Amino acid sequence: EVQLVESGGGLVQPGRSLRLSCEASGFTFDDYAMHWVRQAPGKGLEWVSGISWSSGDIIYAASVKGRFTISRDNAKKFLFLQMNGLRVEDTAVYYCARRQSGYNFDYWGQGTLVTVSS
Amino acid sequence: EIVLTQSPDTLSLSPGERATLSCRASQSVSGNYLAWYQQKVGQAPRLLIYGASSRATGIPDRFSGSGSGTDFTLTVSRLEPEDFAVYYCQQYGGSPPYSFGQGTKLEIK
Repeated sequence: EVQLVESGGGLVQPGRSLRLSCEASGFTFDDYAMHWVRQAPGKGLEWVSGISWSSGDIIYAASVKGRFTISRDNAKKFLFLQMNGLRVEDTAVYYCARRQSGYNFDYWGQGTLVTVSS
Repeated sequence: EIVLTQSPDTLSLSPGERATLSCRASQSVSGNYLAWYQQKVGQAPRLLIYGASSRATGIPDRFSGSGSGTDFTLTVSRLEPEDFAVYYCQQYGGSPPYSFGQGTKLEIK
């Protein structure tokens, strides 16, 4: 059974940093690109970042480029999101998602809540 | 940037009725890389349809997708109580490479 479990969320002050993790199981992790998608409270889905299976291809939304860094550890089956310079508008539930070959997301984690507030 | 606009924002129907949800793109979606997701309160999104018309694993056949280019439709042929949720379309292509529509809330009338 495919499982994605996020962790690392919490309450943080503006300008500070946070690192999210996503532990994958039930599939061959290094066969898939992985992504982060977020959802602000009461709002819709916003794509954040993606990384290819080899880490050779990395992309970011304009809203986080230069502040967030995506990475992965294929040996340990983990996906990460290092978030620096956090802003109030980064407050959201962050989901990790597996991208299948048709450029859609077939499995999602349960999400981890990041709250940026002073 | 490809912007996806979903309509209506809210759709009020009764169980047993047919639901038709629309997703319009500001530019043609290359390769028909258009997907639909269902999200219930407090849950992660679930993939329903990919490639505009292919059902994801385990999705009942009352869900169907159609369309190409800039106009796409998700149809639920006969609503079950568990189908009332928020639905999002998502595309791949352009910059940013991935984007979602704003969502359609399907509520019980």
